[in-house]
Amino acid sequence: GAVVSQHPSWVICKSGTSVKIECRSLDFQATTMFWYRQFPKQSLMLMATSNEGSKATYEQGVEKDKFLINHASLTLSTLTVTSAHPEDSSFYICSAEGGSGPLHFGNGTRLTVT
Amino acid sequence: QKEVEQNSGPLSVPEGAIASLNCTYSDRGSQSFFWYRQYSGKSPELIMFIYSNGDKEDGRFTAQLNKASQYVSLLIRDSQPSDSATYLCAARLSAGDKIIFGKGTRLHILP
Repeated sequence: GAVVSQHPSWVICKSGTSVKIECRSLDFQATTMFWYRQFPKQSLMLMATSNEGSKATYEQGVEKDKFLINHASLTLSTLTVTSAHPEDSSFYICSAEGGSGPLHFGNGTRLTVT
Repeated sequence: QKEVEQNSGPLSVPEGAIASLNCTYSDRGSQSFFWYRQYSGKSPELIMFIYSNGDKEDGRFTAQLNKASQYVSLLIRDSQPSDSATYLCAARLSAGDKIIFGKGTRLHILP
């Protein structure tokens, strides 16, 4: 149980384009989803917290107009990287929880912006 | 500033020995504690979680929590080369709160 599916697993896009990443909880309803970013050999950095039906809460320093998060249902949250630039190249990981249980992570999306 | 502190390592342990990973946290109100394993280039996977003081065992893994000392540990018995990874300790106040992660300890099991 507690499977979190994230797509795509990798994406290459050109600078200036937008990329959407999907995160789905497959066998539970995710009341809260979290989006993380991780650069090579660095720790996880929380970008934002999203609750179903409400606006996401962004961490300090994360541009909410650049990283658009939508949590339209209890099983789906999306992260859109708008006007991507090479410095946005990173490993993006979503996670979800269905209540008081632990956090479960998706497999991550490796974004490369050329 | 809520923090979770871990020694970055690398921690080198001979195969078959016990690996001991330690973690401290700053927020005394933290209620839930987690250990995740992350292989290079992969996302973290949950190993164990613990909510109550004492020990919790699952197979070769034992999590230990001491709230008075604000200390969490993970013991890995009969260490295997496949246990070589970065281990992330995490803490949170309550369900729905963001989880605070440590920077991870790199564990290397020597064949």
